Amino acid sequence: EAGVAQSPRYKIIEKRQSVAFWCNPISGHATLYWYQQILGQGPKLLIQFQNNGVVDDSQLPKDRFSAERLKGVDSTLKIQPAKLEDSAVYLCASSLGGSRNIQYFGAGTRLSVL
Amino acid sequence: AQRVTQPEKLLSVFKGAPVELKCNYSYSGSPELFWYVQYSRQRLQLLLRHISRESIKGFTADLNKGETSFHLKKPFAQEEDSAMYYCALSGSNYQLIWGAGTKLIIKP
Repeated sequence: EAGVAQSPRYKIIEKRQSVAFWCNPISGHATLYWYQQILGQGPKLLIQFQNNGVVDDSQLPKDRFSAERLKGVDSTLKIQPAKLEDSAVYLCASSLGGSRNIQYFGAGTRLSVL
Repeated sequence: AQRVTQPEKLLSVFKGAPVELKCNYSYSGSPELFWYVQYSRQRLQLLLRHISRESIKGFTADLNKGETSFHLKKPFAQEEDSAMYYCALSGSNYQLIWGAGTKLIIKP
């Protein structure tokens, strides 16, 4: 089966610019996660979707970050405006949901904010 | 508070030596623990989960509720085991709470 697809793989922007990341989960996976992984740290959950609804976005900096999963399939994560501290790898993961919670990860998008 | 602690940022052992990657957790309910691995230039992937009680690539991990630990072990390290290893805890909403990771280097 195809894995979780993410694009772009790399992005370099200047601070105060905007950027968007795209994720297409494994077919049939109801749950989709966006993580931020800063160098030297474990992944930090930004937002969790169940189909097209938000389960948890408590750690999403909503003043600058937004995410949507309109049709319950693919998802976009946006940062506007970006700050230097947003430099990180943004990971998307998906799972079947509920107790079937093995998460499958995309390759990630490495963002550098200059 | 729910927390996962991996005390070693870096672990370096010789090929053929035993490996133990430490993971301690803090969780008020019945935990579900995972080990994920990221090999160089590859994506993060599940290595094993405690409820499966299986050995993957020679690795095992036993949940010790008394010591709140889920250490990852392998009796004889191989060079291809060099990778970044993350311990994770499944909390509410089946979210994963992650440790900071341990970089394992196997020396020839």
